[in-house]
Amino acid sequence: DTGVSQDPRHKITKRGQNVTFRCDPISEHNRLYWYRQTLGQGPEFLTYFQNEAQLEKSRLLSDRFSAERPKGSFSTLEIQRTEQGDSAMYLCASFGGNSRDTQYFGPGTRLTVL
Amino acid sequence: KQEVTQIPAALSVPEGENLVLNCSFTDSAIYNLQWFRQDPGKGLTSLLLIQSSQREQTSGRLNASLDKSSGRSTLYIAASQPGDSATYLCAAPRGSARQLTFGSGTQLTVLP
Repeated sequence: DTGVSQDPRHKITKRGQNVTFRCDPISEHNRLYWYRQTLGQGPEFLTYFQNEAQLEKSRLLSDRFSAERPKGSFSTLEIQRTEQGDSAMYLCASFGGNSRDTQYFGPGTRLTVL
Repeated sequence: KQEVTQIPAALSVPEGENLVLNCSFTDSAIYNLQWFRQDPGKGLTSLLLIQSSQREQTSGRLNASLDKSSGRSTLYIAASQPGDSATYLCAAPRGSARQLTFGSGTQLTVLP
């Protein structure tokens, strides 16, 4: 257990539905990252927060994706009008405090879009 | 743009063997390089992080080296065990945000 939690662990949805994932980082970490991982590939960066401010977004993050981190604590990632191509593992990582540059990853949310 | 490549994509070895996993990166101006382990369907577990000023890091049976000039890092696993079977990923941070750029991983199987 890295100290980063994600909910839900698995989500199955039908194409066109909206889904929301939650990430709870290690409490003293001010940086929070979202990554997406497809089968057989390494994770790809989606977006990054420092405290409550969303400072960078990848081109992978289409208009259907939105992320928030109210009060600089937990974060949510919402996907609207899901498509089959959104099926992937969504990983959250946190960094800061005494982590010595190490990013700590949560267990991920596996999304399947039917 | 940083690109990270891992070779081989898959490796199968008998228990007890020493082995080396390779990672190469295109931009040598890295802050550090991190090795992770990922079990099937799970998140990533950090194994070792080598700062740009370091040449290697050791943790138990694992030793990671970094050669910035050649754009390469290796992960050495001594006396492999079936429990070492997993996918091993290397990653380098980029930009002020330090977001990680990952390789595609090496899937290791250690046969009993």
